[in-house]
Amino acid sequence: GAVVSQHPSWVICKSGTSVKIECRSLDFQATTMFWYRQFPKQSLMLMATSNEGSKATYEQGVEKDKFLINHASLTLSTLTVTSAHPEDSSFYICSARSARGPRGYTFGSGTRLTVV
Amino acid sequence: GNSVTQMEGPVTLSEEAFLTINCTYTATGYPSLFWYVQYPGEGLQLLLKATKADDKGSNKGFEATYRKETTSFHLEKGSVQVSDSAVYFCALDMEYGNKLVFGAGTILRVKS
Repeated sequence: GAVVSQHPSWVICKSGTSVKIECRSLDFQATTMFWYRQFPKQSLMLMATSNEGSKATYEQGVEKDKFLINHASLTLSTLTVTSAHPEDSSFYICSARSARGPRGYTFGSGTRLTVV
Repeated sequence: GNSVTQMEGPVTLSEEAFLTINCTYTATGYPSLFWYVQYPGEGLQLLLKATKADDKGSNKGFEATYRKETTSFHLEKGSVQVSDSAVYFCALDMEYGNKLVFGAGTILRVKS
């Protein structure tokens, strides 16, 4: 079955530093990848949609310069949280959709980011 | 716009009890419907799906039927286990759309 690997699973960083989160589709080509943010006991908030080779489409209210998304290949998308602050602490989840076959979304296992 | 409404949780049940988590949707067109499950500290896993009216999705003892007339996709299980404790998300996907639309999620707690 389709597998999406997300790395790291958790990270602690200092305020002001940048953190990169990777999302890889291991056994399929992902035309589109999605990045979500999840606050404790809340639903997933879609941050942005990225298509391979083009700029990401950000949802309203999401700062493009703060959350940099790159989708350089059909198997890799990255989310970089720049100049992180404690309020950026959250659970980030990626999802990928295959370029072929039935429409389906495969999720990564998530990244717990803590900014201290 | 398209939206999904789920019953609020948490839902607390004893082991072997019957489970229902209600989900209704609003959509212009004919969505595919999904239930995802999230265990603590993990990402989402697809539990089941249905792509057209009257389809029944099933997996691991869970079932949900796509009811177009009531725009519903309620999740049921006849006998829950402690290991079913998780957050359950109902979602829809439009054929012409480009993203999943999620409900708020329902926390399920099963006590032994």
